[in-house]
Amino acid sequence: GEDVEQSLFLSVREGDSSVINCTYTDSSSTYLYWYKQEPGAGLQLLTYIFSNMDMKQDQRLTVLLNKKDKHLSLRIADTQTGDSAIYFCAEIESGGYQKVTFGTGTKLQVIP
Amino acid sequence: EAGVTQSPTHLIKTRGQQATLRCSPISGHTSVYWYQQALGLGLQFLLWYDEGEERNRGNFPPRFSGRQFPNYSSELNVNALELEDSALYLCASSTTVLRRYEQYFGPGTRLTVT
Repeated sequence: GEDVEQSLFLSVREGDSSVINCTYTDSSSTYLYWYKQEPGAGLQLLTYIFSNMDMKQDQRLTVLLNKKDKHLSLRIADTQTGDSAIYFCAEIESGGYQKVTFGTGTKLQVIP
Repeated sequence: EAGVTQSPTHLIKTRGQQATLRCSPISGHTSVYWYQQALGLGLQFLLWYDEGEERNRGNFPPRFSGRQFPNYSSELNVNALELEDSALYLCASSTTVLRRYEQYFGPGTRLTVT
């Protein structure tokens, strides 16, 4: 079955770049997502990338996809204290069944 | 534009009881998804409803069920509650037209089973 893995914790200084990594196993994934979850809140869709793309940039966020290695990363430039949250990567299986598999989440701590 | 809403925010039940959780999708969205976020287990897919029909379900027992109403809102029912059902239950919605792969989440219902 599909499996999505992330490192559990990342600590960076304010103003530095953060890179959150994710590996997945389902080669038939159609879309890969990054969600942000702040304390006490639901999941906020940050960005997503089609599986036929290598990179997507959206303001401070850059998503890189290496299909060969099944590796997805999220880079946050100029990290701010407001970026402190848990970040989930997720993949959706192809075939129209809409089942989304989430990673375990990476807790990003931004040190002022 | 109003986001996905869920009620109640918190729910406390005892083992063996039934719990009902509700979700209203974003206006115009016809698909509703339910997820369980249990401590230490991450997010697990529960159910997907679209146009009033159950389209897919995750690896959960039949005591987890639900429905979608004609206005596209949805209800998740958990029967014969067990202690390990304690979790945050998240609902998400999407449109099945152009951006059906974009799922927008509500704030969740925290279910505590004692």
